[in-house]
Amino acid sequence: EDKVVQSPLSLVVHEGDTVTLNCSYEVTNFRSLLWYKQEKKAPTFLFMLTSSGIEKKSGRLSSILDKKELFSILNITATQTGDSAVYLCAVANYGQNFVFGPGTRLSVLP
Amino acid sequence: NAGVMQNPRHLVRRRGQEARLRCSPMKGHSHVYWYRQLPEEGLKFMVYLQKENIIDESGMPKERFSAEFPKEGPSILRIQQVVRGDSAAYFCASSSSLTGSYNEQFFGPGTRLTVL
Repeated sequence: EDKVVQSPLSLVVHEGDTVTLNCSYEVTNFRSLLWYKQEKKAPTFLFMLTSSGIEKKSGRLSSILDKKELFSILNITATQTGDSAVYLCAVANYGQNFVFGPGTRLSVLP
Repeated sequence: NAGVMQNPRHLVRRRGQEARLRCSPMKGHSHVYWYRQLPEEGLKFMVYLQKENIIDESGMPKERFSAEFPKEGPSILRIQQVVRGDSAAYFCASSSSLTGSYNEQFFGPGTRLTVL
């Protein structure tokens, strides 16, 4: 059965800290891995990763995929209180089926 | 404790037919959210419901789409007279938050709708 695991499930840091969120998966016919940030309403799309070893970067956020070890990490440097959210990892296969992880709840304290 | 359940997992319809997607929230959850995911895109919020009430339907197309969450039974997303552009994965999430927070949502496996 396809599965996505995220760790930690919750994390509390102070502004300025750097955090690393983990996502591991077991999916048949893997196609892509996606990261979302969920604050108030719908999750906001962050990254889509399809190739191993290629870092995607957007401001203070970056992410990389390891298809051999079946995991991805999401890094956030110099965290701000506005980074407080739930970060969701989802994996898609070639049937366009998506499996979501449970999310990591990040709280950034001032 | 079963998670969020959606059925069917796959649904094929011809243009003009109706599609009914069902979502049973986690036990004890009274808030349901529907999302649509088009290929290569992020999740798009459609509607947020509590039992017997639509709280926020700002993401729902004005025509052909409707949603309900009756007192008993699953939440239903209904698409009338489907068109090819409705082909997508439809996800349901549920939460138990009494404050209506959108956090702590638990996602179902989704229903993949294909319109021929």
